[in-house]
Amino acid sequence: QVQLQQSGPGLVRPSQTLSLTCVISGDSVSSNSVSWNWVRQSPSRGLEWLGRTYYRSKWYANYALSVRSRIAINPDTSKNQFSLQLNSVTPEDTAVYYCARVSMSVPRALNYWGQGTLVTVSS
Amino acid sequence: QSVLTQPPSASGTPGQGVTISCSGSSSNIGSNYVSWYQQLPGTAPKLLIYANDQRPSGVPERISGSKSGTSASLAISGLRSEDEADYYCGTWDDSLSALVFGGGTKLTVL
Repeated sequence: QVQLQQSGPGLVRPSQTLSLTCVISGDSVSSNSVSWNWVRQSPSRGLEWLGRTYYRSKWYANYALSVRSRIAINPDTSKNQFSLQLNSVTPEDTAVYYCARVSMSVPRALNYWGQGTLVTVSS
Repeated sequence: QSVLTQPPSASGTPGQGVTISCSGSSSNIGSNYVSWYQQLPGTAPKLLIYANDQRPSGVPERISGSKSGTSASLAISGLRSEDEADYYCGTWDDSLSALVFGGGTKLTVL
């Protein structure tokens, strides 16, 4: 059974960097048949996909246009996890952040989710 | 403003059926699989339907999905109180190169 366990601070100051980690159990971050995603949810923006990383002989990352200039999603194969970094945050980045998996066997669908992390951007 | 359009609310009485719609365009629903998620208060979304009409193991047969053109629907029959939740549709958008979602539908079981 795949499990995703998120960690990271719940409070980030404006203009600073939001950093979250998602530890994977029951699967490998380097699997050739999955992608590892970050999604956030807020009352004003609803569910918003932020981006993904995946391995297909080499590592790839894709990002949503809305955050492309200030986001990075990176794998850590030594710890079987992946991370989200969002730079220059503003109060509009306040949201619940989720990590989630897409599998080729369950195409274009997020079939496993982390527990969610409420991140508040405030001074 | 969500890329996919859902009604903000839906309701039904126990035992009844309800259908939730999701409208998109040729660049998203029209050319990609649709998925549906159920979200209970304070929890992460849970996948209910993938590839338009496929149920993951553990999802009951009274929950079904369909797609036609640039629209999709989620149908729940035999409503139960535990079905009261928020429901979201999602799909890939080829123009945006992104996963996109509907704004969510709050289902109330009266």
